[in-house]
Amino acid sequence: AQSVAQPEDQVNVAEGNPLTVKCTYSVSGNPYLFWYVQYPNRGLQFLLKYITGDNLVKGSYGFEAEFNKSQTSFHLKKPSALVSDSALYFCAVRPGNTGGFKTIFGAGTRLFVKA
Amino acid sequence: EAGVAQSPRYKIIEKRQSVAFWCNPISGHATLYWYQQILGQGPKLLIQFQNNGVVDDSQLPKDRFSAERLKGVDSTLKIQPAKLEDSAVYLCASSLGAAGFANEQFFGPGTRLTVL
Repeated sequence: AQSVAQPEDQVNVAEGNPLTVKCTYSVSGNPYLFWYVQYPNRGLQFLLKYITGDNLVKGSYGFEAEFNKSQTSFHLKKPSALVSDSALYFCAVRPGNTGGFKTIFGAGTRLFVKA
Repeated sequence: EAGVAQSPRYKIIEKRQSVAFWCNPISGHATLYWYQQILGQGPKLLIQFQNNGVVDDSQLPKDRFSAERLKGVDSTLKIQPAKLEDSAVYLCASSLGAAGFANEQFFGPGTRLTVL
């Protein structure tokens, strides 16, 4: 079965420190990978995506993510965390064109950045 | 650019009643999605439209849920009759390209449904 795993329910980091939010997946074909963020009382917002090419993709608000095909991972990173980054982060995967069009979301990881 | 609009924002009903949600996607977006997000979980796709055709409805409980996207623009999602386990946030999203493209999705604010 196709699935997305975010192994950490919550990540705590001090402001100014680097952060990593982990995501691994199991889908068929060459997948398309996304990160979305949900701030309190706001809708889901797109952060970044990987389709093909360079394994390191850059997105909004200084976030980046690294695609690792051999480890089937797509971890979200930021070199220096801000208190305002505190939110709920979702990894999402859409299987390659041979695997259907349904986007599968992980359960989410709550990021807490302490001042 | 206006975002994805959804109404109502909140709805409380009793079990076995029916309810309908409305979504207006971003103008020009071909693909529209309905998701169910239960507290503590990620969004789960219920149905995906490309224009007014269904691309995927494999996770839609068809005995009680229905959805339509007439004229390829607005969409409604209906639950009849509702069960307690339908309590969730129902999210509508849209994306610019056809279903085969890896376009990012733009989400509406959601409708929080409580079934008593």
